[in-house]
This record gives sequence, structure tokens and C-alpha cells, in this order.
Amino acid sequence: GESVGLHLPTLSVQEGDNSIINCAYSNSASDYFIWYKQESGKGPQFIIDIRSNMDKRQGQRVTVLLNKTVKHLSLQIAATQPGDSAVYFCAENINDYKLSFGAGTTVTVRA
Amino acid sequence: ETGVTQSPTHLIKTRGQQVTLRCSSQSGHNTVSWYQQALGQGPQFIFQYYREEENGRGNFPPRFSGLQFPNYSSELNVNALELDDSALYLCAGQEAGTGELFFGEGSRLTVL
Repeated sequence: GESVGLHLPTLSVQEGDNSIINCAYSNSASDYFIWYKQESGKGPQFIIDIRSNMDKRQGQRVTVLLNKTVKHLSLQIAATQPGDSAVYFCAENINDYKLSFGAGTTVTVRA
Repeated sequence: ETGVTQSPTHLIKTRGQQVTLRCSSQSGHNTVSWYQQALGQGPQFIFQYYREEENGRGNFPPRFSGLQFPNYSSELNVNALELDDSALYLCAGQEAGTGELFFGEGSRLTVL
């Protein structure tokens, strides 16, 4: 079975608000995690990654938080825009960048 | 642009047939991985190739096979197609320095 899972399959957010997408993983030995965005008809697009020796990493409008104690990962998107509407996946590195993906959260941005 | 292109974008096959999907990655992507994404699901790792050798396989039967060529292209072959093989097949080139994966837009296979 999958070792990575997302808490909620869908998220509706008002444009301009912040979004938080959650992910739980089960393999405590995992050392690398990635968030991907997948728009309709396209392949997954890298958003941000984090290694297990960190608990927070920031990018442009995005922040990833890692809580190894409870094996939880989250993606925060600041000032959500219509172009952020997509399916978001967390992925866990099994080894040598062989990734295990969760089922995804569909984010819908309301105007 | 990810530098990874896949063909065909869509195709329809019938049960029992064989299919070959192709991927072209950019220079520097010495490692290529293939993933299967069923509708509404996350991608599932099929296998990875490095320097033309298989370098790990997920939980997929032997009728799923692959090839990697020196020119950064690769193929995924599936024999004896089953209805459950209907999915989006994604190819990902891996950047040698960072390990970051760059996905193509996929080949959508429908098995009737």
C-alpha cells in the first residue's frame, strides 16, 4: 500500500486567502519529501522539497513544514490565486529518488 | 517546459494487445523513471533506468518492461494489455546534480 497520504481530497479556498494542504507519511526513515502540482492534462510540476534534517523551507509564496514526530507534512500557499487551482501531491523518496505519491488534494480557488 | 516529451499523447488499445510508449529527455538526465497514474490517483512508480540498466522496479508484473537509450530517450512496453492498464503513463527525467525529477505530460492509454 501507499506510505504517503493526504488528509483531505478536496480544498476550496477564497482567492487571496492562504491555503494549507496536509499530508501524513508512515515511513519514519524517509529522508526527502517533495510537493508537486498537477494541472489538468499535464504532468506533475515540482513546487518545493524538504529534507528530513529540516522542519521548514520557504519558496516563492509557498512554505513546506515537516513534523517528523507525528510524520506530518504540510504545504502552505500564501495569497492563493486562480492559477493555483490544481491537484497537489506530496511524495516521499523511497530511495534513489524513486517516489511514493499520495492520492492528491484538489484545490479549487473561488473568485 | 520540463525538457521531457512523451508520445503519443493519447492512444486506444484492446485487451491482449501490446503498446510502446516513448519518452525523450534532455541532456544530463541520466536517470529516467516511469510512473502509472490511474484516474483520480497519485502516480505509482513502475521502474527506473540508469545508464540503460533497470535500477529498481515497483509492484508491477514483468509484462511491463522498459528500455533506455544513450540519446536520453526511453520506452515503456506493456504486453498482454488488461483493462486496468488504462491510465496516464508519466516519464520523468532526473537531473544529475540535484536529483530533481522533471515530468513529461504523459501518454494517456485506454484499454477497451
